Amino acid sequence: DTAVSQTPKYLVTQMGNDKSIKCEQNLGHDTMYWYKQDSKKFLKIMFSYNNKELIINETVPNRFSPKSPDKAHLNLHINSLELGDSAVYFCASRGDTYNEQFFGPGTRLTVL
Amino acid sequence: DQQVKQNSPSLSVQEGRISILNCDYTNSMFDYFLWYKKYPAEGPTFLISISSIKDKNEDGRFTVFLNKSAKHLSLHIVPSQPGDSAVYFCAASGNTDKLIFGTGTRLQVFP
Repeated sequence: DTAVSQTPKYLVTQMGNDKSIKCEQNLGHDTMYWYKQDSKKFLKIMFSYNNKELIINETVPNRFSPKSPDKAHLNLHINSLELGDSAVYFCASRGDTYNEQFFGPGTRLTVL
Repeated sequence: DQQVKQNSPSLSVQEGRISILNCDYTNSMFDYFLWYKKYPAEGPTFLISISSIKDKNEDGRFTVFLNKSAKHLSLHIVPSQPGDSAVYFCAASGNTDKLIFGTGTRLQVFP
C-alpha cells in the first residue's frame, strides 16, 4: 500500500544513454513533482504537473522530459545523460486541500 | 541565492533532552512552512507545518515556532528519542506551488 512509489531505486548507466524513471501515486492527488537532490544534498524542484498538465518547469535542460499519462503517474525521461546528472531523483505528490507533499523513496542515478 | 537556510549541518543531543533545529528564510512572500524528516535511502517524510498566520504549531513531541519579523522558524523535539536521528529539512512555499528546501540538519540522538 505504498503511497508514492518509484522505479528503479538504483540506476547506473553510461554517459550519452537515455533512461527513464517511473513514478506512481495511489493517494488520488492531482499534483505531482520531480525533485533532484545533488551531491551537496540540496533538494530542488524540477517539474510539477497538475492533472497531467505541466505547471512548473524550473529551467531544467530540455534533455529532461517529464510525461504524465494520467494523474497517478509522472515519469521522467532523460536523454543523452551527462556526468552532472548523477543525483537522487525524488517524485512527490500533493492533494488540493493542503500544502504537504508526499515523497517517493528516490532513485539514485549514477552516470559513468 | 539560497532562500531557505539551515546553518547548522549537524546537531547532537542526548536522549530525553530537547532538540532545537533552526531555519532562516529571506523571501517575505513565503507564507507556509514545513519540516520534513529523512532517513538514509528513503524519501523525505512530512513532519509538521505552520502557516504564516500562526506563530506556533504543536503535534505531540514536535512543535514548530515561526518568527516572521526575524524570518526564522525552529523545530523543537521534546523529549528526543534515538529514532529521531535523521536529517531534517525545512521548506517554505509562497504564492506558487514550489517548495523551497533548506540544506538540512543531521540530528543524532544518543543514549
